[in-house]
Amino acid sequence: KNQVEQSPQSLIILEGKNCTLQCNYTVSPFSNLRWYKQDTGRGPVSLTIMTFSENTKSNGRYTATLDADTKQSSLHITASQLSDSASYICVVREGGYNKLIFGAGTRLAVHP
Amino acid sequence: DTGVSQDPRHKITKRGQNVTFRCDPISEHNRLYWYRQTLGQGPEFLTYFQNEAQLEKSRLLSDRFSAERPKGSFSTLEIQRTEQGDSAMYLCASSLSVSVGQGGNTQYFGPGTRLTVL
Repeated sequence: KNQVEQSPQSLIILEGKNCTLQCNYTVSPFSNLRWYKQDTGRGPVSLTIMTFSENTKSNGRYTATLDADTKQSSLHITASQLSDSASYICVVREGGYNKLIFGAGTRLAVHP
Repeated sequence: DTGVSQDPRHKITKRGQNVTFRCDPISEHNRLYWYRQTLGQGPEFLTYFQNEAQLEKSRLLSDRFSAERPKGSFSTLEIQRTEQGDSAMYLCASSLSVSVGQGGNTQYFGPGTRLTVL
């Protein structure tokens, strides 16, 4: 069964600190992997997208990595800000399909 | 505003009533998707349209659910005889189909409609 699993389920960090969120997937065939940020009560917003051949992708303070061999991805947030408090969802697209498979998300809380 | 919009943002209804949600996608996008998201979970795919054609439906979409996109622009999702288990956030997303080799099409999400069935 195609699945996307994320860890940790939730995380609390202090403002200014760095953190790393993990994503493991079993989706095959693989097309691409995205990280979305979802603020409470809002729809998800795409942060990064990586295809099979890409190992790392940055978007400001967000850096995503992908190891297609081990089927793992991470999202690293540098110098966290209060506005980073949100759920971060790892999403994998099956090759050849339009359907996205979503992880349950990691709920990040940044405290002052 | 050129984003995806959904209406209403919140809906409270009694069990057994029918509800209808509307989604207006980004104007040039030909694909439109509906998802359901429960608390603490990622969105689950319900159905998607390419223009006015409904191309795929999830097994989650029971007979009580129906979606339409009559003119290939806005879409409606209707739930008949609502049940308490239907309480969730219903998300709509749209995308412009591009070659998979270009990284696939990015789905842009609306703010969602939060449904509460009492």
